[in-house]
Amino acid sequence: GAGVSQTPSNKVTEKGKYVELRCDPISGHTALYWYRQSLGQGPEFLIYFQGTGAADDSGLPNDRFFAVRPEGSVSTLKIQRTERGDSAVYLCASSLTGSQVDEQFFGPGTRLTVL
Amino acid sequence: AQSVTQLDSQVPVFEEAPVELRCNYSSSVSVYLFWYVQYPNQGLQLLLKYLSGSTLVKGINGFEAEFNKSQTSFHLRKPSVHISDTAEYFCAVTVSGNTGKLIFGQGTTLQVKP
Repeated sequence: GAGVSQTPSNKVTEKGKYVELRCDPISGHTALYWYRQSLGQGPEFLIYFQGTGAADDSGLPNDRFFAVRPEGSVSTLKIQRTERGDSAVYLCASSLTGSQVDEQFFGPGTRLTVL
Repeated sequence: AQSVTQLDSQVPVFEEAPVELRCNYSSSVSVYLFWYVQYPNQGLQLLLKYLSGSTLVKGINGFEAEFNKSQTSFHLRKPSVHISDTAEYFCAVTVSGNTGKLIFGQGTTLQVKP
C-alpha cells in the first residue's frame, strides 16, 4: 500500500515569506507526527495529532509555527515569517494508534531552504 | 527530561566485518527503545524495537540490539556488514505513559568500504 507522502519535496523561499508543507499519512492511521531534522542532527519532535486534534505541540519552537489536520487525515505545517534558521528537512510520520510502542512510518521529508 | 546519546558520529568498517553502533539513553521513567535507519535519499525505516521481555532483539537485515538497563544502553550490532548497509542510523526512545513522540539521538553514519 501507499506509504506516507510529503509535498513538496523541496521548497526554497525568501526570509519573511509564508510556507505550507503537506503530509499525507497512511490511510487509517489516527496518529500523525511532525519532526524537524537539521543538518547533522537527529529528528526533533514538533507536534503530534491524534485524529483532528493536536495532542502535543510542545515541540513547536515559537508561534510562527502552526499545524492543522482538519479531517483527521492530511496535515499541513505552516510557517509564518520564515527565518534562515528554519532551514531544515521537515519529516512527517504516522502510526496506527499513537501508542508509545507503535511503529512510526516516515515520509521522505520536505527540504526547506530559507534564503 | 529524556535524552539519547549516540557515541559515534561516523563508523567506517570494511565489508563483511562486524559492527557495533552505540546508544545510551537517560530517563527517570521507563522507556521503549528503537533503532531507525535512513538510507540515502529515503525516509526513516524501523530496524527493530525493544518493548519488554528478552533483552536481545532481532530486527531486519540481520541487525540485532541488546538492552542493558544497568548501563542504560541499547547498542546495535551486525556480525557481517554489506555495502548496502551504508546509511545513517538513529537510536530513539518513547516514554512510557507519554505520547508516542520519539526522542532521537544525533545519528551515526555507517560507512561500509569494499
